[in-house]
Amino acid sequence: GAVVSQHPSWVICKSGTSVKIECRSLDFQATTMFWYRQFPKQSLMLMATSNEGSKATYEQGVEKDKFLINHASLTLSTLTVTSAHPEDSSFYICSASIPGRRTDTQYFGPGTRLTVL
Amino acid sequence: TQLLEQSPQFLSIQEGENLTVYCNSSSVFSSLQWYRQEPGEGPVLLVTVVTGGEVKKLKRLTFQFGDARKDSSLHITAAQPGDTGLYLCAGDEVSNYQLIWGAGTKLIIKP
Repeated sequence: GAVVSQHPSWVICKSGTSVKIECRSLDFQATTMFWYRQFPKQSLMLMATSNEGSKATYEQGVEKDKFLINHASLTLSTLTVTSAHPEDSSFYICSASIPGRRTDTQYFGPGTRLTVL
Repeated sequence: TQLLEQSPQFLSIQEGENLTVYCNSSSVFSSLQWYRQEPGEGPVLLVTVVTGGEVKKLKRLTFQFGDARKDSSLHITAAQPGDTGLYLCAGDEVSNYQLIWGAGTKLIIKP
């Protein structure tokens, strides 16, 4: 149980384009999901908390207009990187916690490798 | 700024050797989680420790939570190449309702 999927697993795009990443909870309902980015050989950096039916909560220093988060249903959250630039290239990972606080055990998706040319 | 210092950051040892990874902080945690992440994949939870002084074993992995709940260690006995990966600790900080992540330990076990 507690499986989280992400799509796509990797994406290459041109600078200036927008990229959407999907995060799905496959066998449970996730009222709260979390989005992280991870640079090579580094730990996870929490970007935002995605709340079903309401606005996402962004961490300090994360541009909400650049990283658009939508949590339209209890099983799907999306992260859209708008007007992507090479510095946005990173490994993006989503997670869902049960029962829903970010301090509860988190189940992670497999991640999405974004490369912006 | 709350910190969870994880050490060592990188460790490369021969198969069969033992090793210990440490996570230390000045903050008190209500719980601490250990994850293992392989390249190109998301982290996978190994264990959660909750009680001060608690010791949990997962086959050749032994996890310990400090008595004061400020630190934790992961000890691997007779390491195998399959143990290779990035090990991450994450603490649930009591006073600030935050999940604090360690920087990770990149572990390579050479056959």
